[in-house]
Amino acid sequence: DIVMTQTPLSLSVTPGQPASISCKSSQSLLHSDGKTYLYWYLQKPGQSPQVLIYEVSNRFSGVPDRFSGSGSGTDFKLNLSRVEAEDVGVYYCMHSIELPITFGQGTKLEIK
Amino acid sequence: QVQLVQSGAEVKKPGASVKVSCKASGYTFSVYYLHWVRQAPGEGLEWMGRIIPASGDTLYAQRFQGRVTLTRDTSISTAYMELTTLRSDDTALYYCVLMTGPRTWGQGTLVTVSS
Repeated sequence: DIVMTQTPLSLSVTPGQPASISCKSSQSLLHSDGKTYLYWYLQKPGQSPQVLIYEVSNRFSGVPDRFSGSGSGTDFKLNLSRVEAEDVGVYYCMHSIELPITFGQGTKLEIK
Repeated sequence: QVQLVQSGAEVKKPGASVKVSCKASGYTFSVYYLHWVRQAPGEGLEWMGRIIPASGDTLYAQRFQGRVTLTRDTSISTAYMELTTLRSDDTALYYCVLMTGPRTWGQGTLVTVSS
């Protein structure tokens, strides 16, 4: 199984400041079809996870442009340009290049 | 809009089985694979398996092989997840998920296993 490792596991950020979360996979997530199957989810308190970014860098419909994803192969990042109060929750990276799908451990974002 | 609406919370005794339903609406049920993911209290996300609604074909995570069965009823756009021989560590929120297309999660079904 592919292991997804996120850092840091927790983050405390002042509103308006940037934040970044790293995700490393134990194998390349680049598929032979040319796509890289890496996703970012946010689980707000008491809610189901919601997709933010799909295939490394594509923002899902309705996701604010302060969220951006980057990376390739086995190293990926989620960047928030200016953290807002509504961004609190746990962020997960996930791959779907093969089964089983696996998730990172989660990064808890809090507001200072 | 696309929705996945799951059945209500369940309380089961160790050794029992549970069957959770997931009713889809707002899209053509047969088009997108449906996955099941669980989350133990205070823990992360764990993929359990997936079903192809059009064919009924299934694939399960190794650790659930033999205990989980995914089925679907296309006539009512509903998928089901049955987990047998329940243990206390199966206590979790169980989600049905569209990983592609609408990329939608159900609201989750809490299954509590307790004697």
